[in-house]
Amino acid sequence: AQSVTQLDSQVPVFEEAPVELRCNYSSSVSVYLFWYVQYPNQGLQLLLKYLSGSTLVESINGFEAEFNKSQTSFHLRKPSVHISDTAEYFCAVRPPGGSRLTFGEGTQLTVNP
Amino acid sequence: DVKVTQSSRYLVKRTGEKVFLECVQDMDHENMFWYRQDPGLGLRLIYFSYDVKMKEKGDIPEGYSVSREKKERFSLILESASTNQTSMYLCASSASLGSYEQYFGPGTRLTVT
Repeated sequence: AQSVTQLDSQVPVFEEAPVELRCNYSSSVSVYLFWYVQYPNQGLQLLLKYLSGSTLVESINGFEAEFNKSQTSFHLRKPSVHISDTAEYFCAVRPPGGSRLTFGEGTQLTVNP
Repeated sequence: DVKVTQSSRYLVKRTGEKVFLECVQDMDHENMFWYRQDPGLGLRLIYFSYDVKMKEKGDIPEGYSVSREKKERFSLILESASTNQTSMYLCASSASLGSYEQYFGPGTRLTVT
C-alpha cells in the first residue's frame, strides 16, 4: 500500500516570490509520482509526472519537481509565481503496474499581489 | 481534447433519498473512477471500473454503488443519502490500465440536508 503526505495545507506567498510545495510518500514498491493542480471551480489537471530517468521533471508553466528516492520526496517548486498560479495542488503516487492513484491531502497555494 | 462531464455542478438532496451522479467521457477510455474530495483529506477513491459492467471497490465504498452499462458512462449511486455524504464528487477517466494520466470532470458538489 502507498500513502502520500503533503506537509503544508496552506501556502500564502507574494507574486514573483519562489515557492516550494512539499510532498513525501511511503511505499513498499517503486512508484510513479504525479502533481495535479485544481484551479477554482474546476476539476484536476495533470501538472507533471515522474516515471523514470532524470529525477528532475518540468511542466510547461515553469513548475518543476525533483524525485528524491532516499528521502521519499517529490517536492514541487517554482522560482517566481504569478497570481494565476493560485490553486490547490495535489501530489499522487501509483505503482507502475496499477491504475489507482493515491492522493495527498492537498496544498492550497495563494499568490497575493 | 478529452472531455469528462458530470450531470450537475450543484445538488441538494434530503436524508434518505436515492441519489444518482452521472459521468460521461467522450474519448473511449477503458477506465473510469469516482472520488470524493473533502478539505484536509484530499481525494479518496470510492469505486472504479476498468470495463463495461466491471467494477472494483476503492478505499471508501460503504454507502455507495456504481453502474457502468455503457463504456462512456459511469454512474455513482447513493442508495440512501446521509449528511456525512455531503461532499465534492469528482469523476475521472483514463485510457487504459497502463495510462499515466487521469482526466477529471469539474465535480458535483452534493449537499445532503
